[in-house]
Amino acid sequence: AQKVTQAQTEISVVEKEDVTLDCVYETRDTTYYLFWYKQPPSGELVFLIRRNSFDEQNEISGRYSWNFQKSTSSFNFTITASQVVDSAVYFCALSEIGSSNTGKLIFGQGTTLQVKP
Amino acid sequence: SAVISQKPSRDICQRGTSLTIQCQVDSQVTMMFWYRQQPGQSLTLIATANQGSEATYESGFVIDKFPISRPNLTFSTLTVSNMSPEDSSIYLCSVEAGRTGFGTDTQYFGPGTRLTVL
Repeated sequence: AQKVTQAQTEISVVEKEDVTLDCVYETRDTTYYLFWYKQPPSGELVFLIRRNSFDEQNEISGRYSWNFQKSTSSFNFTITASQVVDSAVYFCALSEIGSSNTGKLIFGQGTTLQVKP
Repeated sequence: SAVISQKPSRDICQRGTSLTIQCQVDSQVTMMFWYRQQPGQSLTLIATANQGSEATYESGFVIDKFPISRPNLTFSTLTVSNMSPEDSSIYLCSVEAGRTGFGTDTQYFGPGTRLTVL
């Protein structure tokens, strides 16, 4: 069965610190997508990144970077030089493409990030 | 991406009543999804709504409690029926921007409907 685990429930950092949010997933499919979403206090879910299972290249977008390692089934998210506006709940999610291909997203429990000034 | 709106943005309802939530997308999409997020929890898929077919419900969710309509490619409704305080949650709709040859595309989410049941 598919499962996404975000072991860190809450993280608190001081502005300008780097912070890494962990995500570990389980799936029997060989083809799948992994996602990260941000949910600020307003409640809206904001898409950050999608990575498919065939692409293990790390990605950088401004202060955000993602490290995908199939060998450890991990898809970690790092924020460099964190800012107060980064305070939010961050969700990692999995979508299986192979046999099921329903588009269903399996979400982790989320990590609440608090960035203090 | 897609621009998604939901109505109402929030509501406070009495036990035993029903509420219909609307989801409108600015472009035609094949697949729409309804999720529930209970307070302090993660998101759980309620059902998948494809135009022209019956909605597909996830385990633990039934049509009598959460009837869904999908009359066209830009609109869907979710009704929360016979509400109880346990139904207090954020309800979010999402859409796939478009299915590629590789399969699932990215899901974009609406702003959510915050429901409180007294």
